[in-house]
Amino acid sequence: GESVGLHLPTLSVQEGDNSIINCAYSNSASDYFIWYKQESGKGPQFIIDIRSNMDKRQGQRVTVLLNKTVKHLSLQIAATQPGDSAVYFCADPHGFSGGYNKLIFGAGTRLAVHP
Amino acid sequence: GAGVSQSPSNKVTEKGKDVELRCDPISGHTALYWYRQSLGQGLEFLIYFQGNSAPDKSGLPSDRFSAERTGGSVSTLTIQRTQQEDSAVYLCASSLVGYIQYFGAGTRLSVL
Repeated sequence: GESVGLHLPTLSVQEGDNSIINCAYSNSASDYFIWYKQESGKGPQFIIDIRSNMDKRQGQRVTVLLNKTVKHLSLQIAATQPGDSAVYFCADPHGFSGGYNKLIFGAGTRLAVHP
Repeated sequence: GAGVSQSPSNKVTEKGKDVELRCDPISGHTALYWYRQSLGQGLEFLIYFQGNSAPDKSGLPSDRFSAERTGGSVSTLTIQRTQQEDSAVYLCASSLVGYIQYFGAGTRLSVL
C-alpha cells in the first residue's frame, strides 16, 4: 500500500552542524509534500513544502530536496540549534474531489541536538 | 483565536466511559481534520470536515468513534465505551484551502 516513511528514527547532531532528515514515499503520483516539526507536548508545526515540479526549495535555514526518480525527499537544517530538537515528519496530502483532505504522515525522525 | 484550540488538554477516563473532545479551528477555516497519534507513532487520519459535512470518515477505527461539526466552526470527537487501545493524543487541524493544515496542541486521552 501507499506509505510515507523515514530511514532513521533518531538523528543526533552537534549544535552548529547541518542536519539531514530523509523520507521515502511509495506513490509515484504524489505531487506535493510537506514537512512538519513537532516539539514535545505540541502539535505539528508547518516548516516547508515542495511541489513535484521543483527539485529544491529553500526556507529560513531549511532546504527540502525532492528526487522523484527514486521517490525520496530530504530536509536539510543548516547550523542546527538546540531549538531544532523535535520530531520531524514528512507528509503527503491525499486528494478528495480535486482537493486535499488528509495528510499521510511518515513515522517521524527524532532530531536531538547536543551542545 | 490565533490558532487551533483543543480542550481538554488532558483527559483521564475509565474503560467503558464515553468521552468528548473539542476543537476550535482557526476563524474562517472551512476545513477541519482529526488525527490520532499513539505513543511513539506517526499521525493517523481519522476524519475530515468541509463545512459541517464529513466527506471522508475513512479513518474512524470503529463505530464507537463519531464526530460532528456545527456552524462550520467547532467540532466534537466522541468516543463511546472507551477501550485502553483508544489511549492516544487526538489532534485537530484546520485549513483554509486544504493544503497547509494548522494543528492544535492535542488532547491526551488516557483510558484506565
